[in-house]
Amino acid sequence: KQEVTQIPAALSVPEGENLVLNCSFTDSAIYNLQWFRQDPGKGLTSLLLIQSSQREQTSGRLNASLDKSSGRSTLYIAASQPGDSATYLCAVKVDTDKLIFGTGTRLQVFP
Amino acid sequence: EAGVVQSPRYKIIEKKQPVAFWCNPISGHNTLYWYRQNLGQGPELLIRYENEEAVDDSQLPKDRFSAERLKGVDSTLKIQPAELGDSAVYLCASSSATDTQYFGPGTRLTVL
Repeated sequence: KQEVTQIPAALSVPEGENLVLNCSFTDSAIYNLQWFRQDPGKGLTSLLLIQSSQREQTSGRLNASLDKSSGRSTLYIAASQPGDSATYLCAVKVDTDKLIFGTGTRLQVFP
Repeated sequence: EAGVVQSPRYKIIEKKQPVAFWCNPISGHNTLYWYRQNLGQGPELLIRYENEEAVDDSQLPKDRFSAERLKGVDSTLKIQPAELGDSAVYLCASSSATDTQYFGPGTRLTVL
């Protein structure tokens, strides 16, 4: 059974810091991995999607890497801003169309 | 383009009462998902529709939960009767041919 774990569960950093969020999964048989952002009281917004054959994806200040063989992914946020404060979830796609989510990392960036 | 619409946004009911949630996906999206998100956890898939067909309902507690997607557009998720443990956020998502799922804001259910 696929299990997805995210570390740390919560993180508080001053504005401007570069930071790394970690995601690990137990079964390397995945189609892709996605990072989502969830703001309080709102749904999830997809940030980056990495196909199983890819090693990384970049969007603006965000960079996500994937090491499928070791079951790990990282989300790197450069020059963090207060607007980055949210919960970040990673999810792996298994079977034909099923996402398995981690428990998330709650990020707070203070001015 | 309008996103995924869900209603109501919040619902408070007493246990054993019925409750229903409604979802309108993004226009043209054939695939629709219902997820349940417990506090401090990631979403868990309840049911997935391809057009009007439920193709994965293995995680749906069928004794009290039911869902339908008439005409392959809007969908309704129902709980009858609700239990205390059903308190959670119920998220609807939709997708087209791409891998990206677009989520609605969710319905926060509180069962007293």
